[in-house]
Amino acid sequence: GENVEQHPSTLSVQEGDSAVIKCTYSDSASNYFPWYKQELGKRPQLIIDIRSNVGEKKDQRIAVTLNKTAKHFSLHITETQPEDSAVYFCAASITSGTYKYIFGTGTRLKVLA
Amino acid sequence: DTAVSQTPKYLVTQMGNDKSIKCEQNLGHDTMYWYKQDSKKFLKIMFSYNNKELIINETVPNRFSPKSPDKAHLNLHINSLELGDSAVYFCASGFTGLEKLFFGSGTQLSVL
Repeated sequence: GENVEQHPSTLSVQEGDSAVIKCTYSDSASNYFPWYKQELGKRPQLIIDIRSNVGEKKDQRIAVTLNKTAKHFSLHITETQPEDSAVYFCAASITSGTYKYIFGTGTRLKVLA
Repeated sequence: DTAVSQTPKYLVTQMGNDKSIKCEQNLGHDTMYWYKQDSKKFLKIMFSYNNKELIINETVPNRFSPKSPDKAHLNLHINSLELGDSAVYFCASGFTGLEKLFFGSGTQLSVL
């Protein structure tokens, strides 16, 4: 069935290092891939997204890459800061039946000062 | 002004009770959603409404009944609450075609 796998489930990095989170999706018709950040006790908020006609997108310290052939996409955070500590969710649009998107299982990122 | 607001923020209740959660959005979006986030942080879609019509109904027990009186409101009523219903419930809204979703602040439901 429709599925989005996300790895790793937890990630600890030293402040200033880079962090990479990877996702794989199953629906080859998926064409929209957002990333959400959820701080402790808060709501998920969109931080970056990418469409299937683009291979890479960057916004300051965060970037997302998409490999449609392999059906995977990744979030890259450079020069990590303690305030980047949160749970990050990837998602992929699902087009079978009704349009919606499926979230990955989340990655808890901890940036150590 | 909060774009997507849901009430209450916390809900503690006994097994077997019936409770409701309300959601309102002032962004002019035509689609609203309910998501359930369990203790492992998994975010799972439950329902989606487009212009007051139900368009997505995942495999959710029929004790859960959403209602959309207009396209700015989507409420969730839960009958005969069970321990396993304990979770954070998020309302969200967006435009048709699923661009960016805006989430409410969540309702932490604890069933004792």
